[in-house]
Amino acid sequence: QKEVEQDPGPLSVPEGAIVSLNCTYSNSAFQYFMWYRQYSRKGPELLMYTYSSGNKEDGRFTAQVDKSSKYISLFIRDSQPSDSATYLCAMSGSGGSNYKLTFGKGTLLTVNP
Amino acid sequence: DSGVTQTPKHLITATGQRVTLRCSPRSGDLSVYWYQQSLDQGLQFLIQYYNGEERAKGNILERFSAQQFPDLHSELNLSSLELGDSALYFCASSVGQFQETQYFGPGTRLLVL
Repeated sequence: QKEVEQDPGPLSVPEGAIVSLNCTYSNSAFQYFMWYRQYSRKGPELLMYTYSSGNKEDGRFTAQVDKSSKYISLFIRDSQPSDSATYLCAMSGSGGSNYKLTFGKGTLLTVNP
Repeated sequence: DSGVTQTPKHLITATGQRVTLRCSPRSGDLSVYWYQQSLDQGLQFLIQYYNGEERAKGNILERFSAQQFPDLHSELNLSSLELGDSALYFCASSVGQFQETQYFGPGTRLLVL
């Protein structure tokens, strides 16, 4: 089992839809959870950063972490064509060998006008 | 713009050759990370340097090496190149050494023919 699993998609939605992106993980030491957005042929861009369980909201984006289920989500409200990109989840623990950032493979999202 | 710069943007070379990729971190960041991104493997962590010292190693081949210089810029050296080394190579930087939020450069696209 891979440490971080992410459905690669592709996911195609109409403009204005609510998008849900998810990752599961197996390492219970993970405490820091991030979402990166990567446009085609560009470097990943940090979108959301969350520590431990709970929700975090930033504009149209909401990140959720459920450590009991080892499941994280990113919700995009009122999706726009400019949101079309690959979304990568990433996570790390603290101390020892667990602090290395581990990425999911990414979900390709297309928002159609 | 993340503030991380990478050169060159594109590199085309032949099998058996050696290349050097260069990265300048964001101002104030002490850690530099190197990643390889391919379609089948996703984003793979190669190596981290913190303030000039090697801090962590990931899936880096023996043919690959890196260093971080006193001015904190870093170079990734890839030698005896194989077709399978064709990929996007990203550099990222962060303030501290524990792989917290990382900021990525635009990447170097390497094509080995």
